[in-house]
Formats: sequence, structure tokens, C-alpha cells
Amino acid sequence: AQSVTQLGSHVSVSEGALVLLRCNYSSSVPPYLFWYVQYPNQGLQLLLKYTSAATLVKGINGFEAEFKKSETSFHLTKPSAHMSDAAEYFCAVTPNNNDMRFGAGTRLTVKP
Amino acid sequence: GAVVSQHPSRVICKSGTSVKIECRSLDFQATTMFWYRQFPKQSLMLMATSNEGSKATYEQGVEKDKFLINHASLTLSTLTVTSAHPEDSSFYICSANGGPRTQYFGPGTRLLVL
Repeated sequence: AQSVTQLGSHVSVSEGALVLLRCNYSSSVPPYLFWYVQYPNQGLQLLLKYTSAATLVKGINGFEAEFKKSETSFHLTKPSAHMSDAAEYFCAVTPNNNDMRFGAGTRLTVKP
Repeated sequence: GAVVSQHPSRVICKSGTSVKIECRSLDFQATTMFWYRQFPKQSLMLMATSNEGSKATYEQGVEKDKFLINHASLTLSTLTVTSAHPEDSSFYICSANGGPRTQYFGPGTRLLVL
């Protein structure tokens, strides 16, 4: 069964510092991988998704993620954190054309 | 495009009453919609898959008689929490299938059962 694991339930960075949120996947077939952001009391907003077209995926708000098959990873990065990036981030995988399986989430805190 | 709405955004009800939550795809048709539940500071857990014109498929451990799902049209799915209890208080999020491996999420509904 396909699944994702997010390492680190809480990440804290200073404003302007590099953001790195980790996600590892488990899949016996080429996966479709996603990163979502959730602000308090809101739904999910898609940041980016990997669909096997390119290993480096650029998303919204300056985020990007690189698919590394050898490491079974799909880590999310942003060169310079902004205060508005503080939120909960979820990595997800679709086992098939239907439902989506989410990681436990990583809360990002940005310090001034 | 690809907007999914949920109504209501927040609801408070008394224990023992039933609550209906609507999920609508506003500018596209969705043969499949999904219902997720999210407890505070936790991830989203899939509750059920709602298919237009047929019975919903529930995940293991989810009571189908308690969480009634109806997908009567290609743009509307409803989740009814029957005889709600305080432990049903949660954030309920729906999504609609907008293409191969593409889901669009609603803004969520906060349910508080007193």
C-alpha cells in the first residue's frame, strides 16, 4: 500500500532562512505525490504535485520539491521563509485514481 | 476554476441531533467526492468515498449508519452526522475528483457537539 511519512511534526525557522520539510514515500508503483498547506480553520491548498513529468517541481509561493527515487523522498523547500508561510503542511500520495493518503503533517513556525 | 464549497462552515448542535453538511463542486462535475475528518493537530483521515448515483464506500472503522452520505448529483454530496455526540466534534473536509489523481478540497466544516 502506498503511504507517506513526514519527519518532524514541528519545524521552526527564522524569517529569511531556508525551509525544509521532509516527506518520504512508500510505493510499489510510480507514485503521484502532493504537498498541501493548511492555514488555521481552513481547507487545504495545493502547493505542488509530482506526476512523473519532471523530478523538480515548482509550486506556488516560492515552494518547490524534488522527487528522488533513490531516496524515496519528496522534500519541500523554500529558499527564504516569510512570516506568512507559518502553517501546517501535508504531504500526500494517491494510491490510485481515487482517494488520497496524507502524512501526519508538519507545523511550520517562522520566527521574526 | 475548480472550486469546491462546503456549507455550513461552522455548526454547533446539541447532543442527539443530526447535522447535514453539503459539499458542492461549483464549476465542474465530480462523479466522485471524498469525505475526510480531521481532529485538532492531526492529519486528515479518509472517512468515505462518495460516488454519484451509488452507495458510498466507507473506510474501515467508520460507521455507515452514523455518517450518512448521499451523492445525488454530479455537483453535490452530503454528509449527515446522525445522533451526534461530543466525540463527533471535528473538522470535516470534502474533496471532489477533478481529473486523474486530482482532488479539489473544500474549505471545511467545523462541527461542535455540545
